Amino acid sequence: KAGVTQTPRYLIKTRGQQVTLSCSPISGHRSVSWYQQTPGQGLQFLFEYFSETQRNKGNFPGRFSGRQFSNSRSEMNVSTLELGDSALYLCASSIRGQGGEQYFGPGTRLTVT
Amino acid sequence: GDSVTQMEGPVTLSEEAFLTINCTYTATGYPSLFWYVQYPGEGLQLLLKATKADDKGSNKGFEATYRKETTSFHLEKGSVQVSDSAVYFCALTPGAGSYQLTFGKGTKLSVIP
Repeated sequence: KAGVTQTPRYLIKTRGQQVTLSCSPISGHRSVSWYQQTPGQGLQFLFEYFSETQRNKGNFPGRFSGRQFSNSRSEMNVSTLELGDSALYLCASSIRGQGGEQYFGPGTRLTVT
Repeated sequence: GDSVTQMEGPVTLSEEAFLTINCTYTATGYPSLFWYVQYPGEGLQLLLKATKADDKGSNKGFEATYRKETTSFHLEKGSVQVSDSAVYFCALTPGAGSYQLTFGKGTKLSVIP
């Protein structure tokens, strides 16, 4: 079974721009969660989508948003990029409810200059 | 809110040494507990999990036991290998319909031949 895929793997953007990251979950997984990883703050939860609905949201500003499509693929968008948004963005998929196991993709490394 | 505290590294061990990485948590209710591992340049891999008190998770020679009385989930391995060099994260999901992972800061392990 193919794992979680994320595109692009690397991205360089300028302050003020916006960016869209994509995540394709493992086949059969309908829950997709997003996490931000930085050296200073560690791993922080952004949001979770299940059946095209946001189920949970972390403590991030409204510039961070996401959506999920009917095929369970998910995108997250960051508008008006700031230097502090530079991070590794990780997507995780799961069969919601089965022990809570989440399977992570390789991440998208976003650099904001 | 929920939190996870794990020993900070880096930890450097010789090959075949015994490994313990301490992890304690704060959570209401009945959380599920996880250990994830991150190799350089990669996403997170689920190492093991435990979903209720006294459960022991195990995988690839690693073990951890869910101790509700001490709110702990320490990771152990009897004999580490160079290939175990990575960053290890302790994490929890709160249960009760929430699958948001809360992570510890991570512990970097280096195993030298």
